[in-house]
Amino acid sequence: ETGVTQTPRHLVMGMTNKKSLKCEQHLGHNAMYWYKQSAKKPLELMFVYNFKEQTENNSVPSRFSPECPNSSHLFLHLHTLQPEDSALYLCASSQDRGGPDTQYFGPGTRLTVL
Amino acid sequence: GQNIDQPTEMTATEGAIVQINCTYQTSGFNGLFWYQQHAGEAPTFLSYNVLDGLEEKGRFSSFLSRSKGYSYLLLKELQMKDSASYLCAVMDSNYQLIWGAGTKLIIKP
Repeated sequence: ETGVTQTPRHLVMGMTNKKSLKCEQHLGHNAMYWYKQSAKKPLELMFVYNFKEQTENNSVPSRFSPECPNSSHLFLHLHTLQPEDSALYLCASSQDRGGPDTQYFGPGTRLTVL
Repeated sequence: GQNIDQPTEMTATEGAIVQINCTYQTSGFNGLFWYQQHAGEAPTFLSYNVLDGLEEKGRFSSFLSRSKGYSYLLLKELQMKDSASYLCAVMDSNYQLIWGAGTKLIIKP
């Protein structure tokens, strides 16, 4: 148990569906991250929030839309996804962004796009 | 460009020792992290090295040579539960983690 929870753990959706992934951290951290993990590839950073403000968007397609209502919660809204978006989506948090702070990960959401 | 290299897969025997290597080329350096990830689970933090040398933590040790752009993770007295992927990541000058693709470690009885 890392102190970071994600729901749902598994999600199957069609290309026309809209769904949301949820992440919650119980560590009192200020920075939160979304990563995409595909088989045999390095983790890809998607979005970073620090004190609820988005600080990075690594050229992620607009069909992925993040939301951070407070420092403990992070959402990833999904719409009109493509089959190549099927992957494990990991949420992480760290004390702050801008320092050598360890990132703590949630268990991820396994997404399958049909 | 920035690059992290580590072997794709390694096999070792229960009770033995295994060394997983990681080489890197990054824009700046603010430390190197090792994570363990069991299948279907969260990556969990193992170690952080920012100075040259060996850091020992129980059965696991991590080594760093900044001049060579090189690190290794040493696992001793291997147990079946050590079967997992091991991820190497370097924090660059912007404090962004640059990740390797991970090394899948298979432990055989």
